[in-house]
Amino acid sequence: GQNIDQPTEMTATEGAIVQINCTYQTSGFNGLFWYQQHAGEAPTFLSYNVLDGLEEKGRFSSFLSRSKGYSYLLLKELQMKDSASYLCAVKDSNYQLIWGAGTKLIIKP
Amino acid sequence: IAGITQAPTSQILAAGRRMTLRCTQDMRHNAMYWYRQDLGLGLRLIHYSNTAGTTGKGEVPDGYSVSRANTDDFPLTLASAVPSQTSVYFCASSEVSGGAYEQYFGPGTRLTVT
Repeated sequence: GQNIDQPTEMTATEGAIVQINCTYQTSGFNGLFWYQQHAGEAPTFLSYNVLDGLEEKGRFSSFLSRSKGYSYLLLKELQMKDSASYLCAVKDSNYQLIWGAGTKLIIKP
Repeated sequence: IAGITQAPTSQILAAGRRMTLRCTQDMRHNAMYWYRQDLGLGLRLIHYSNTAGTTGKGEVPDGYSVSRANTDDFPLTLASAVPSQTSVYFCASSEVSGGAYEQYFGPGTRLTVT
């Protein structure tokens, strides 16, 4: 079967750095996406990785290792507004997204 | 403002009733999707459409139907609602289904079936 695993909840301090991990087992791989979802709102796109390595976008970076079926989202200089759920999703062989359950990130002052 | 709209925002529905959730996008995207999101579970694909005139079944299609008569609209119908269909429903679209094209999401419809 297809499976995306990520931690249910993480807590971090404002100004710090946090790494959210995602492991996946899917039928085929056509890229990995990270989305942010604030409570009661729609998911919004953060990043896309299809080749191994690190993609940096401002305070957010995303890493992919296809051989290990592993990705992480790195958030630097955390702000209170970063409190949200972070969703990992893999595009499978049918080009459909398979979603993890999301990691709820709580930022404390 | 470009984007995706969904209606209604929320609805309480009696079991056995028929309901259509509406979704409209103005980005001229080819691909559209319906997901449901339940606590503790990832987004689950109900139905999708890669282009106007075509539709396909996702992971959890039972009890739902869709149509794609034109590029902009992608309604989701519950023929006879059951309590297990209580969920938040998101419509999404992307330029095409393949490659690096991200999906854009509507604001969601919160549906409660009693």
